[in-house]
Amino acid sequence: GAGVSQSPSNKVTEKGKDVELRCDPISGHTALYWYRQSLGQGLEFLIYFQGNSAPDKSGLPSDRFSAERTGGSVSTLTIQRTQQEDSAVYLCASSLRGGSPTDTQYFGPGTRLTVL
Amino acid sequence: AQSVTQLDSQVPVFEEAPVELRCNYSSSVSVYLFWYVQYPNQGLQLLLKYLSGSTLVKGINGFEAEFNKSQTSFHLRKPSVHISDTAEYFCAVFLLGRKLIWGLGTSLAVNP
Repeated sequence: GAGVSQSPSNKVTEKGKDVELRCDPISGHTALYWYRQSLGQGLEFLIYFQGNSAPDKSGLPSDRFSAERTGGSVSTLTIQRTQQEDSAVYLCASSLRGGSPTDTQYFGPGTRLTVL
Repeated sequence: AQSVTQLDSQVPVFEEAPVELRCNYSSSVSVYLFWYVQYPNQGLQLLLKYLSGSTLVKGINGFEAEFNKSQTSFHLRKPSVHISDTAEYFCAVFLLGRKLIWGLGTSLAVNP
């Protein structure tokens, strides 16, 4: 079946502009994660959605970052007033249930964001 | 706090040679450990994981890892690498509260 998909694959924007990144999880997966992969920084957790529960936003670096998940499926990560330090690869992952180490996370190919 | 340290940022190796990618963790609670692989221009893929039981875990593509509680390590090994194993490898620990905490990655370059 289809894996996790993300769009766009690449996004170049100017400093100060807003951007939206989209994630389509695997059908039937109730848990969805966003991570950021910066050069030399490894993966950084951003936000976690589990079913209808309130999302875990503890990893969002500033209030310029927000995310929503509509209908328990597609998720959009929005970055307002982008800064050059926001340049990174943004990864989305989904898993069947979430909240358990037995629950494998499946990753999308990522969106490479470049802020000029 | 839990953290993950990958001791080598880059590991060059010749084809058919053995390789070990090192990972150490710090945790005061039960640990669940993972290795993920990221091939060039592809998404992250689970290689193997340790949840409980046998400390030697076998994964895909001939890789295996050994959980060593006394040394707080989870090193990844393969007895004979191929060119196609060239990729970025990430060690991660599952934090109760649903997050994966990641190491910075090890770039494995397999040369002919």
